[in-house]
Amino acid sequence: NAGVTQTPKFQVLKTGQSMTLQCAQDMNHEYMSWYRQDPGMGLRLIHYSVGAGITDQGEVPNGYNVSRSTTEDFPLRLLSAAPSQTSVYFCASMSSGSMMYEQYFGPGTRLTVT
Amino acid sequence: TQLLEQSPQFLSIQEGENLTVYCNSSSVFSSLQWYRQEPGEGPVLLVTVVTGGEVKKLKRLTFQFGDARKDSSLHITAAQPGDTGLYLCAGAHAGNNRKLIWGLGTSLAVNP
Repeated sequence: NAGVTQTPKFQVLKTGQSMTLQCAQDMNHEYMSWYRQDPGMGLRLIHYSVGAGITDQGEVPNGYNVSRSTTEDFPLRLLSAAPSQTSVYFCASMSSGSMMYEQYFGPGTRLTVT
Repeated sequence: TQLLEQSPQFLSIQEGENLTVYCNSSSVFSSLQWYRQEPGEGPVLLVTVVTGGEVKKLKRLTFQFGDARKDSSLHITAAQPGDTGLYLCAGAHAGNNRKLIWGLGTSLAVNP
């Protein structure tokens, strides 16, 4: 199993550009989420999904869109990038059957917006 | 509001030393997890504790959940350079739509 995969690993955008960060998991996990990690701020939840067709906002959703058409994929879209979105982005998945809430993370996407 | 406080924020020690890092909260958690994150990588789950007073061991790492399920500690014996990384704790509240509360982490450097 590959676990959770993310592409790209690195990305540089100009202000106003759009892009999609890809996330896929092969563990048949119902729950998936997107975090951003910034120095001094820790991991902050952007959006999450409890299953295909169901998404909800996390702590910092502004400027980001998500959709969940399949169990495996959970892409994160930046419609108009801003310098404040410079960060490292992590996708994570978790089995809804787990009573331990254990999350499995991808390797991250390092995004710079100039 | 930061609900999980981790201390110390930074720790630099020599190989072979022992250390303890802490994760404290005023909230009661149904479970608490510890992750280790190496530079350029995502966090990797080390352990989950669920019972007050529970102690779990993972080789040279010992994890303890407080009796009241509000705090936790991670003790490393005879630290090695391979232990270097960011140690994160995360707490779960039952019924919180599976959203975790994260600490800011302890950055550990073990020097050879």
